[in-house]
Amino acid sequence: EVQLVQSGAEVKKPGESLKISCKGSGYSFTSYWIGWVRQMPGKGLEWMGIIYPGDSDTRYSPSFQGQVTISADKSISTAYLQWSSLKASDTAMYYCARGVPAAGVYFDYWGQGTLVTVSS
Amino acid sequence: SYELTQPPSVSVSPGQTARITCSGDALPKKYAYWYQQKSGQAPVLVIYEDSKRPSGIPERFSGSSSGTMATLTISGAQVEDEADYYCYSTDSSGNHVFGTGTKVTVL
Repeated sequence: EVQLVQSGAEVKKPGESLKISCKGSGYSFTSYWIGWVRQMPGKGLEWMGIIYPGDSDTRYSPSFQGQVTISADKSISTAYLQWSSLKASDTAMYYCARGVPAAGVYFDYWGQGTLVTVSS
Repeated sequence: SYELTQPPSVSVSPGQTARITCSGDALPKKYAYWYQQKSGQAPVLVIYEDSKRPSGIPERFSGSSSGTMATLTISGAQVEDEADYYCYSTDSSGNHVFGTGTKVTVL
């Protein structure tokens, strides 16, 4: 059974750093992309970026390039999303999802989400 | 930047047919995908590559695409189909994007 298990909710202050995780199981972690999707409170889904753990090929949405860093450790089947300096506007639910290589990449399995709250 | 435009809301009576549209300039050459997101839950893939249904998705969900518009159809909508629905695709430069989202109400 394919599973993506994300790390728990976080409460942080503006300016702090943060790294959240997404552990994949039940499939070959290095044969699929892992993507990150943001959902701000009461809003829609936003595509942030993807990483291919097999070779660490990483692609970002122009909207998120330079704002976050996506990485992966294939030895433990885990992908990460990190911020160096959080802002209040980073408050959102963040989902990881397994990306299927196709004409483009689409997501077939999703994690349960990690709620990040940034508040002074 | 590339945009996929959906109607904000669609209402349907139980047992009737709901159609949700998704408009995008690159859709004639790119596949559309559809996700269902119920309140407080992660999204679920309900249609991939325009019209294919993943295993476990009820037959009442179907998809089609023609020109610059993709359509998700729920035939015989059930109360449990009440959710937000998002289309998803890419543009010619490889940028991936979700649609604006449609809230489906079944009442």
